[in-house]
Amino acid sequence: RKEVEQDPGPFNVPEGATVAFNCTYSNSASQSFFWYRQDCRKEPKLLMSVYSSGNEDGRFTAQLNRASQYISLLIRDSKLSDSATYLCVVRPVGSSASKIIFGSGTRLSIRP
Amino acid sequence: SQTIHQWPATLVQPVGSPLSLECTVEGTSNPNLYWYRQAAGRGLQLLFYSVGIGQISSEVPQNLSASRPQDRQFILSSKKLLLSDSGFYLCAWSVRGVEKLFFGSGTQLSVL
Repeated sequence: RKEVEQDPGPFNVPEGATVAFNCTYSNSASQSFFWYRQDCRKEPKLLMSVYSSGNEDGRFTAQLNRASQYISLLIRDSKLSDSATYLCVVRPVGSSASKIIFGSGTRLSIRP
Repeated sequence: SQTIHQWPATLVQPVGSPLSLECTVEGTSNPNLYWYRQAAGRGLQLLFYSVGIGQISSEVPQNLSASRPQDRQFILSSKKLLLSDSGFYLCAWSVRGVEKLFFGSGTQLSVL
């Protein structure tokens, strides 16, 4: 089983729609979680951290479900500019704490 | 402020030739440093990470090696490139103990 798994998509939704995707992780002791956004042929950029209680940043909401070992990203009122690949990131604990693992990414395409 | 420099942006190399990609970070000390590779349409694969000078952790057995000769310098090398080494190579850094990654602009490597 991969350490971090994501649905690759693509998700193709109309502008204004709400879209959500998940990311599962295998190490139950993982402590830190993030969502990154990557535009085509560019470097990934941090979108938001994921906190245990869930957190929101404008139209974006991130949640963590430790019991089921997944994190989620919800995008409301999607914009054309939201089209990108969304990567989830998990940091293990212990001796591998510096090893930061990326999921394979979920492609999102917003259509007019 | 901190900046990360990665070069070259694009590289075309013949099979069997050597490789050297360099990454430097400015404005911080003792960073964790990372090399990732991304194949076309795929996620980021962690290749190497380093928590200090001369300390390299290798994640995937392969045709590549990494070195950290100075605190803020991270080098990715190969003695003989393979076709399968083609991809988008990304260098990244983080503050030790903080998981947010900051990426360089990437090197698109094509092995022909």
